[in-house]
Amino acid sequence: KQEVTQIPAALSVPEGENLVLNCSFTDSAIYNLQWFRQDPGKGLTSLLLIQSSQREQTSGRLNASLDKSSGRSTLYIAASQPGDSATYLCAVQNSGYSTLTFGKGTMLLVSP
Amino acid sequence: DVKVTQSSRYLVKRTGEKVFLECVQDMDHENMFWYRQDPGLGLRLIYFSYDVKMKEKGDIPEGYSVSREKKERFSLILESASTNQTSMYLCASSLPRGRTGTLYGYTFGSGTRLTVV
Repeated sequence: KQEVTQIPAALSVPEGENLVLNCSFTDSAIYNLQWFRQDPGKGLTSLLLIQSSQREQTSGRLNASLDKSSGRSTLYIAASQPGDSATYLCAVQNSGYSTLTFGKGTMLLVSP
Repeated sequence: DVKVTQSSRYLVKRTGEKVFLECVQDMDHENMFWYRQDPGLGLRLIYFSYDVKMKEKGDIPEGYSVSREKKERFSLILESASTNQTSMYLCASSLPRGRTGTLYGYTFGSGTRLTVV
């Protein structure tokens, strides 16, 4: 059964820092990997989706990479801002199914 | 702007009540999903549907059922609500595999915070 782990569970940084969030998964037979953002008490907002054949995706200050063979993905946030404070969730879609398996998230706090 | 809409943001129900959580999407997506989210446990899949009148059990289906009579609507039913079903419930939709050419894959609703007392 696929398991997704996110490290660290929580991260606090000053504004302006570049930071990396990590995601690992146990079964490398994935179809794609998706990063989400969740604000407190709210639903999930999709940030980036990487197909299994891709190595990375970029959107603005966000860059996500995927190393399928090693079962790892990273989300890089450049020049962090207080508005980036949220929980970031990684999810993988396995090759045989359309369902997602989620990590438990990294709670990010960016202080002014 | 495409959307997944959950009918209620907050609900308070009594133990033993039958509870309906409604989800509607306007993207003509075939796939729809119900998750619950609890502190320390993350998101867990309850049920999903690949098509109208079709349903599949997820990881934690016990105590729940679903209904999908129309493509755009997917309802989660708590047959007899219990306090351990107090949670945040999240609905999502997506295109089928092979047609997930969009950038964003899954689209989630804003969630329903259900409290069972």
